[in-house]
Amino acid sequence: GQNIDQPTEMTATEGAIVQINCTYQTSGFNGLFWYQQHAGEAPTFLSYNVLDGLEEKGRFSSFLSRSKGYSYLLLKELQMKDSASYLCAVRVAGANNLFFGTGTRLTVIP
Amino acid sequence: GAGVSQSPRYKVAKRGQDVALRCDPISGHVSLFWYQQALGQGPEFLTYFQNEAQLDKSGLPSDRFFAERPEGSVSTLKIQRTQQEDSAVYLCASSFPGLAGGRGNEQFFGPGTRLTVL
Repeated sequence: GQNIDQPTEMTATEGAIVQINCTYQTSGFNGLFWYQQHAGEAPTFLSYNVLDGLEEKGRFSSFLSRSKGYSYLLLKELQMKDSASYLCAVRVAGANNLFFGTGTRLTVIP
Repeated sequence: GAGVSQSPRYKVAKRGQDVALRCDPISGHVSLFWYQQALGQGPEFLTYFQNEAQLDKSGLPSDRFFAERPEGSVSTLKIQRTQQEDSAVYLCASSFPGLAGGRGNEQFFGPGTRLTVL
């Protein structure tokens, strides 16, 4: 089976930087996604990595190391509205669906 | 309607009842996915359609679960003889394979149907 691990909960302060880690062990790899999900709402796309390295998009950055089976999502200048669950998802070779981790619930405090 | 829509948003069923959950994908999206999300967990794959063809149903937990997409657009997920363990949020997602832009054929999710089986 596919195994995707991320911390269950994190807390960070408004204005700070937080890094959410994700490790994966999958049968093949064809891309890693980060989604944001506010309570009771649809997951929304944040980032996509398929090659090693850092992808930066405004306050959000995502990093991938395929050899280590590791990714992180970096959120800068945290705002209260960033309180949400962050889902790490992997697409494996030969499949179209995504395999998700349990999600990391981030709470931003004043 | 620019996004994926799902109905109903909430469904309460008595154990043993049949339910039908509807998904309207983004117009023109070829691929459609159903996921099940238990409380505090990430979504788990149920089934995948490409147009009207159901190409993967390996995630359906039992033969009580059935999905269809007869005309390649709207999809329905049906659960027969519901059980308490079926209580979850059912998410639908759609995508357009081959769309360029470095977003990896991202999947666009609907808001989900929260099913509660009493």
